[in-house]
Amino acid sequence: NAGVTQTPKFRILKIGQSMTLQCTQDMNHNYMYWYRQDPGMGLKLIYYSVGAGITDKGEVPNGYNVSRSTTEDFPLRLELAAPSQTSVYFCASSYRDKGGYGYTFGSGTRLTVV
Amino acid sequence: AQSVTQLDSQVPVFEEAPVELRCNYSSSVSVYLFWYVQYPNQGLQLLLKYLSGSTLVKGINGFEAEFNKSQTSFHLRKPSVHISDTAEYFCAVTLNDMRFGAGTRLTVKP
Repeated sequence: NAGVTQTPKFRILKIGQSMTLQCTQDMNHNYMYWYRQDPGMGLKLIYYSVGAGITDKGEVPNGYNVSRSTTEDFPLRLELAAPSQTSVYFCASSYRDKGGYGYTFGSGTRLTVV
Repeated sequence: AQSVTQLDSQVPVFEEAPVELRCNYSSSVSVYLFWYVQYPNQGLQLLLKYLSGSTLVKGINGFEAEFNKSQTSFHLRKPSVHISDTAEYFCAVTLNDMRFGAGTRLTVKP
């Protein structure tokens, strides 16, 4: 089925470890986004990309890095995991800016840092 | 910058009763408005959106929302809820990127 695919679904990291959250979409969307969801806080934008080779910071970028080498893929990297990064991470994509066509979300990655 | 406030963190309601989930936004320019639903352990699904035109917007699963520019509100309504509507609902606004409210947990009781 077409959509946004995130891997892994669950992960436990130790403090200081690094990992990459994978996100791929097969809808040829130009725009891709990474959000984190914390209880009672809604979703906060970490990074976004308007096309291959172009990325920009969102509301909460500290502790994360992204790259966009292809239209399909938008991985999120955590270099030195901290307990504050325990969260559920969602990747999303959209065809145009401003979300006028709505965003398509992946099913999420639940990350626990211990 | 735009922001979204969902006025109720939790809304309990009995099955077949009507429900309204409230959302206010702030922005100095025109924006797009959305409601998303999140079922347990799933991603967000688009319920409905307001881009322009008619202020009453109909979405999936019998939900509708009304855009009120003077009150900067975009409340979500359903005339008769089902157990299966139990989920978390997010209001969102976009200008340059999408900003979400904190969410409202709707619990439908039998």
